[in-house]
Amino acid sequence: SQQGEEDPQALSIQEGENATMNCSYKTSINNLQWYRQNSGRGLVHLILIRSNEREKHSGRLRVTLDTSKKSSSLLITASRAADTASYFCATDGSGGSYIPTFGRGTSLIVHP
Amino acid sequence: GAGVSQSPSNKVTEKGKDVELRCDPISGHTALYWYRQRLGQGLEFLIYFQGNSAPDKSGLPSDRFSAERTGESVSTLTIQRTQQEDSAVYLCASSLGGAGTEAFFGQGTRLTVV
Repeated sequence: SQQGEEDPQALSIQEGENATMNCSYKTSINNLQWYRQNSGRGLVHLILIRSNEREKHSGRLRVTLDTSKKSSSLLITASRAADTASYFCATDGSGGSYIPTFGRGTSLIVHP
Repeated sequence: GAGVSQSPSNKVTEKGKDVELRCDPISGHTALYWYRQRLGQGLEFLIYFQGNSAPDKSGLPSDRFSAERTGESVSTLTIQRTQQEDSAVYLCASSLGGAGTEAFFGQGTRLTVV
């Protein structure tokens, strides 16, 4: 079963705009990670945020975590056409599990 | 190699045949995961290996699916008597293991059952 659920399912923006994707999950977690997938193949790790952290930055990426709402957001600032991809959140730690559990993803299209 | 390697990249098979998918994890990674991704969908967990512990097979959808791992190296995912519903991309990932460790993914095997 899916632990994390991203929304929106699809997002279309112009280059230079910011893109915000959200992830909600059901049970308690130890960590939440965001991954990116190009062309339906391998995923690439973007950023990890631990349950005791509220915000984290990496380059143009900003991730927030609100454990009281069981939600996280990924913000990509000043988007580029090369950011076009699917973005997934993955949670672990539910019930002591170390298995990353993925949502359905947000498909982002950045128009040049 | 530097990353997780999966073979073959693509596999077309006839319904009813058996297929074997291979994953070479990153050297030193004790954890290995198999996921299935149907077109336009998220990743569906299949099986998890951690060191010499018994694998977590809770995600395998039927007894037609099985996987093995030799020590902390190569893993094979076997699908017997393939069905059209098995058509998907099968992704393998490895990590150092434990909570919050980054999973490194292979490029996947796209399986098409005709």
